[in-house]
Amino acid sequence: AQTVTQSQPEMSVQEAETVTLSCTYDTSESDYYLFWYKQPPSRQMILVIRQEAYKQQNATENRFSVNFQKAAKSFSLKISDSQLGDAAMYFCAYEWTDKLIFGTGTRLQVFP
Amino acid sequence: SAVISQKPSRDICQRGTSLTIQCQVDSQVTMMFWYRQQPGQSLTLIATANQGSEATYESGFVIDKFPISRPNLTFSTLTVSNMSPEDSSIYLCSVGGSLYGYTFGSGTRLTVV
Repeated sequence: AQTVTQSQPEMSVQEAETVTLSCTYDTSESDYYLFWYKQPPSRQMILVIRQEAYKQQNATENRFSVNFQKAAKSFSLKISDSQLGDAAMYFCAYEWTDKLIFGTGTRLQVFP
Repeated sequence: SAVISQKPSRDICQRGTSLTIQCQVDSQVTMMFWYRQQPGQSLTLIATANQGSEATYESGFVIDKFPISRPNLTFSTLTVSNMSPEDSSIYLCSVGGSLYGYTFGSGTRLTVV
């Protein structure tokens, strides 16, 4: 069965610094998609970035980038130049047959 | 990406009663998804709703407890039936796919007393 593991329940970062959130997953599939979602206190789930497993190039969206290691089944999120508005829960998700399987989340605090 | 309007945003309900949550999408979509997020937990898929057919439920979720309607390609409802305090959660609907990612409604925070 597919599983997603986020081993960091909480992380903190100073404003303008860089932080990396970890995610590992387990699958026997070769073609799949991975996502990072942000959930601020408003509860709204916001798509941060997506990665197609068959693409070796790491996805990038402005200050957000991933380190996708397919063989290691690792999908970490790097947030550069952290801003106060980045404070939220971050969920890693694996998509399998149109279903999203979420990790347990990492709470990110950003200090001024 | 699609925009989803989800109602109500929150509710406090008496145990034994039912609550119906609505999601309206601004475009036609084939599949809609319903998730539950228990307090301090991650999201768990309840069911997938296709228009014109019965919803497909995930393990641990049953139609009698969480009946879903999907009358057209832009609308769906999830009912939480015969509620108990254990049903207190955030419920979210979602649409989309792997190509552009999944969009979520703003969630319904349900408290059962």
